[in-house]
Order: sequence, then C-alpha cells, then structure tokens
Amino acid sequence: ELKVEQNPLFLSMQEGKNYTIYCNYSTTSDRLYWYRQDPGKSLESLFVLLSNGAVKQEGRLMASLDTKARLSTLHITAAVHDLSATYFCAVDGAKLIFGQGTELSVKP
Amino acid sequence: DAGITQSPRHKVTETGTPVTLRCHQTENHRYMYWYRQDPGHGLRLIHYSYGVKDTDKGEVSDGYSVSRSKTEDFLLTLESATSSQTSVYFCATRTLTGGGYGYTFGSGTRLTVV
Repeated sequence: ELKVEQNPLFLSMQEGKNYTIYCNYSTTSDRLYWYRQDPGKSLESLFVLLSNGAVKQEGRLMASLDTKARLSTLHITAAVHDLSATYFCAVDGAKLIFGQGTELSVKP
Repeated sequence: DAGITQSPRHKVTETGTPVTLRCHQTENHRYMYWYRQDPGHGLRLIHYSYGVKDTDKGEVSDGYSVSRSKTEDFLLTLESATSSQTSVYFCATRTLTGGGYGYTFGSGTRLTVV
C-alpha cells in the first residue's frame, strides 16, 4: 500500500531564508505532484514531476524528483510572506495519495 | 475550478441522518475522486470512479457510499452521519494534459455533523 510522508509538518521561516520540504513515498511511482492550499481554499497545482531526475522551477519554488530514492523535494529560495500556505505532495500509484501537508509560515 | 462544481458548499446536519454531497463536472472526464481533509492527515481518498457505474474504495471508505449514473455527476453519501465525519470534502477529476495526467479539485464542501 502506497504511503506518502512529508516533513516537516510545520515550518516557520524568516523572510529571505531558504528551506526544503521533503516528500518520501513507499512504492514505485514516477508521477508526483505538488499543491499549494491557502486557508479555506481548494488546492492549486504547483508542479507535476513525471520522471526520475525531473526538476521544475516557478519563481522562488523548485521541485525535484528522485524515483530511485522515492523522494521529492520542494525548495524555497529567499522566502517571502506570500508563500505562507500549506504545501502538499501527492503520489500517483493508480490512486492519488497525499502526504500530510507542510504548513509554512513566513515571518518578516 | 470552473469545470467542477461541488454542492452544497456548507452543510450542518444531525448525527444519524443521511447526507449526500454532489460533484458535477463539465469536461467529460472519466476518473473522479472524493477526498476528505482533516488537520494532520492531509487529504485521504474515500472512493473513486473510473467510469459510469464503475467505482472502487479508497483509504477511508467505511460509512460512505458513492454512485455515478452519469459521467458528469459523482455523488457521495454518508449513510448515517457521525461526528467523526465532520470534515471538508473535496471532489477531483483526472485530466490528461500534454505532460501526462493532472488532477483538478473542486472548491470543497464543509460538512459539520452535530
């Protein structure tokens, strides 16, 4: 059974700092998704990673996928307050299974 | 997303009553999903459908049933609502894009069981 684990679950950052969110999963898959969720809102798609070694970047966020290690990372560069949200990874192994989410708070 | 409509958006119901949530899509997608979201658990899959009348269980299906009589509608029924089913429910469809499959989520239904 596919299990997806994120860490950390809570992350308080200062503006301008860098940090990484990790997403580990338990069975083979080559499709991984990152989503952002603002409080009270739905999920917004950030990245779709479809193969080993895939790297995608959008603004201050960069996501990568290592299918051999069953690990994806979401790297935040020079954080700003607008990035405060909850971030989810999800792995597609016939069904889309989510990690617990990482609640990110960026403070001045 | 404009292609997925969930109804109702908010509902308060009493313990023991049946409740049906509706997910309506206009894009003719074959795959549809129901998730529940609770703090500390992320989104957990309840049931999904891979076509009209074709459904299967997810991680947390106990106490829930689904039906899909038309491509555009996927209904989630709580047969006898309990307080543990207080949650936010999201519907999703699987879409085929140029880069592979993607998933689009509805706006959610906030259900409170009192």
